[in-house]
Amino acid sequence: QSALTQSPSASGSLGQSVTISCTGTSNDVGGYNYVSWYQQRPGKVPKLIIYEITRRPSGVPYRFSGSKSGNTASLTVSGLQAEDEADYYCASSAGDNNVIFGGGTKLTVL
Amino acid sequence: EEKMMESGGGLVQPGGSLRLSCVASGFSMNIHWMSWVRQAPGKGLEWVAKINRDSSDKSYVDSVKGRFAISRDHAENSLYLQMEGLRVDDTAVYYCATEMWWRMETWGQGTTVTVSS
Repeated sequence: QSALTQSPSASGSLGQSVTISCTGTSNDVGGYNYVSWYQQRPGKVPKLIIYEITRRPSGVPYRFSGSKSGNTASLTVSGLQAEDEADYYCASSAGDNNVIFGGGTKLTVL
Repeated sequence: EEKMMESGGGLVQPGGSLRLSCVASGFSMNIHWMSWVRQAPGKGLEWVAKINRDSSDKSYVDSVKGRFAISRDHAENSLYLQMEGLRVDDTAVYYCATEMWWRMETWGQGTTVTVSS
């Protein structure tokens, strides 16, 4: 099964908002509410920042929000901060017990 | 503090075998579904395998089916990944992670597997 589709890069200025998209099919993103997002800073371990499309784990800033429409999920980072510069990955249930990740988006804060 | 530590990575020739381990501290791994996720150098994340709490249900990504086997030991609070028939494209950092409803919550620090002749 192919990875979910993410744009390789995104950028925004300090304080601005940026949205990262994640496109799949009706067999994954479109078919389930189990979409999650991960932040991976350079040289670090991935960190869960959004789960079940819109929910934030304890400790994740409100600046991070998620949504879904059809086969596309989105992560919005509002009020960009320098520390938000990282790679972001989406993931989804893909039926049975399978999990599929997106290819990742490198977010640059200008 | 909840932590997990992987070990067992290294350099192996194509066709070789390795057994990865993941030990939890500060919490009981036994109540969690567990997954292995890998990341090839400079590439994205790829889910590899998962196991349920009592080891009765195991799933694998197609590319490792028949070559990799996931297991766990409740007494040791540990997770394992037996890798056979290793290929160059299995080269990656391998992370263990607790999983709930298809999301990876707690991640280990990773262990590096390099398959090369």
